[in-house]
Amino acid sequence: EVQLVESGGGLVKPGGSLRLSCAASGFTFSSYSMNWVRQSPGKGLEWVSSIHSGGSYMYYADSVRGRFTISRDNAKNSLYLQMNSLRAEDTALYYCARASSNISPYTPDYWGQGTLVTVSS
Amino acid sequence: QTVVTQEPSLTVSPGGTVTLTCASSTGAVTSGYYPNWFQQKPGQAPRALIYSTNNKHSWTPARFSGSLLGGKAALTLSGVQPEDEADYYCLLYFGGVSGVFGGGTKLTVL
Repeated sequence: EVQLVESGGGLVKPGGSLRLSCAASGFTFSSYSMNWVRQSPGKGLEWVSSIHSGGSYMYYADSVRGRFTISRDNAKNSLYLQMNSLRAEDTALYYCARASSNISPYTPDYWGQGTLVTVSS
Repeated sequence: QTVVTQEPSLTVSPGGTVTLTCASSTGAVTSGYYPNWFQQKPGQAPRALIYSTNNKHSWTPARFSGSLLGGKAALTLSGVQPEDEADYYCLLYFGGVSGVFGGGTKLTVL
């Protein structure tokens, strides 16, 4: 059974940093590209970032490019999102999602339950 | 800034048929935008339904189908069930790598 478990969310002040993690199990993590998608409270979904299975190719939404960095550790079956210079508008539930294909676009199939990030002073 | 537009809300009767659409501010939606559809119920994570216009995941009920219709991506539900009441989101890809979600359609089964 595919399982994705996000962690690392919390309350952070504007301008601060946070690192999200996603622990994957139930599939060969190193063979799949991965995504981060977020959802602001009561709002719609927003694609944030994707990374190829080998970690060589990374893509970002304009709203986070230059502030967020996606990475992975295939030996630890883990996906990460380093978030710097956080803003109030980054407040959201952050989902980790596996990609159904290793060829772009990395469209999500399985999703985690999310971790909540709140940016507030 | 690219905008993907969906109907904010739709209502359908049980057993009926409804079509949700997904438009792009850049022009007609084609298969090259790899349209995806997701279902989200309150308090739950999204669930993937359709990828690359009309391909179903192994768990997607047969009553859900994807297509291109009049320059838009479309999701049709035939024989709607009460449990289909949910928010539905489309996802389009631009340049083959950057995804943009639509604002979502709240489907009411009444």
